[in-house]
Amino acid sequence: KAGVTQTPRYLIKTRGQQVTLSCSPISGHRSVSWYQQTPGQGLQFLFEYFSETQRNKGNFPGRFSGRQFSNSRSEMNVSTLELGDSALYLCASSLIGTANNEQFFGPGTRLTVL
Amino acid sequence: AQSVTQPDIHITVSEGASLELRCNYSYGATPYLFWYVQSPGQGLQLLLKYFSGDTLVQGIKGFEAEFKRSQSSFNLRKPSVHWSDAAEYFCAVDPPGGSYIPTFGRGTSLIVHP
Repeated sequence: KAGVTQTPRYLIKTRGQQVTLSCSPISGHRSVSWYQQTPGQGLQFLFEYFSETQRNKGNFPGRFSGRQFSNSRSEMNVSTLELGDSALYLCASSLIGTANNEQFFGPGTRLTVL
Repeated sequence: AQSVTQPDIHITVSEGASLELRCNYSYGATPYLFWYVQSPGQGLQLLLKYFSGDTLVQGIKGFEAEFKRSQSSFNLRKPSVHWSDAAEYFCAVDPPGGSYIPTFGRGTSLIVHP
């Protein structure tokens, strides 16, 4: 079974631009979660989608948004990029998105904002 | 609010030596507890998890962790470290009964000397 894939793996943008990151979950997984990882703040939860609906949301500004498609693939978008948005963005999928369902992480997308 | 503390930012051990990584949590009830490993350029991989029952939990790659309610701790151990264990280790907690929105510790970087 293929793992979680994220595209692109690396991205360089400038301040003020917007960016879209993509995540393809493991086949059959309906829950997709997004995390931001930075040296300063560590791993922080962004949001979780389940069956095309945002089910949970972390404490991030509205510039961070996401969506999930009917095939469970998910995208996250960051508008009006700031230098502080430079981070590794991780996507994780699980069958139904509860704590007793293991999350499987993708390799991440490394976003650099100049 | 729940929190997770990993007191050691870096730990250096010699190959073949034993290892213990510390994790303390702050939460009213016993949360679900997890340990993840992240190799350079990779996403997170679940090593083991504790929900209830036996307080000594066996995981993959020869790791184990012990839940101690009185100390609010969930320390990760390995009897003999291999060079390939060099990575970043994250402890995470999640309140039981809800969706999977874990709180991660800041991580401990494990360096293995030959």
